[in-house]
Amino acid sequence: DQQVKQNSPSLSVQEGRISILNCDYTNSMFDYFLWYKKYPAEGPTFLISISSIKDKNEDGRFTVFLNKSAKHLSLHIVPSQPGDSAVYFCAVTTNFGNEKLTFGTGTRLTIIP
Amino acid sequence: DGGITQSPKYLFRKEGQNVTLSCEQNLNHDAMYWYRQDPGQGLRLIYYSQIVNDFQKGDIAEGYSVSREKKESFPLTVTSAQKNPTAFYLCASSMASGRYEQYFGPGTRLTVT
Repeated sequence: DQQVKQNSPSLSVQEGRISILNCDYTNSMFDYFLWYKKYPAEGPTFLISISSIKDKNEDGRFTVFLNKSAKHLSLHIVPSQPGDSAVYFCAVTTNFGNEKLTFGTGTRLTIIP
Repeated sequence: DGGITQSPKYLFRKEGQNVTLSCEQNLNHDAMYWYRQDPGQGLRLIYYSQIVNDFQKGDIAEGYSVSREKKESFPLTVTSAQKNPTAFYLCASSMASGRYEQYFGPGTRLTVT
């Protein structure tokens, strides 16, 4: 039973346009959400996070939106750059003194020059 | 330079042999984690440790074992009982006490034939 779903395995976006990656979760107890970026044969790197007390968090070109009622979060990248081509994972956790993360299956983003 | 190191980058073993993957961090993080990644799947948690001399099973612990004798080190042994050991293995660490971001090593690609 997948608690975190990224329903789009891949996404292609023109350079300069907006990339929108989506993530859905099932457990309303999750209260902290993260996005990671991963290049092939490398470890993921942390991008941006959001707590359940907020509905938006922005960091440069990256913005994460959280819709708690829909149990949905999204990552917006604007403008998209060729270096953004990677696999993006969303991850969720609960604040019960346990920092175990549950990851989605990932979305491969390709930026077309 | 602070970070997480995993060695080796590529590892080949014959079926039926145990193999130990190394993970070292100099970030002074309390918590450490092991994940595996398979094609088309997200990161799945094998084992994690929140403090020295303590560790817990993750979602797919069968066929694996770990130890946490030092804060800096969290080796993972893939035993012959693991039915599908060929995968990309990722080690991560995080500060405890409410910091959720996990920092990943570069990974080890294990191939068992």
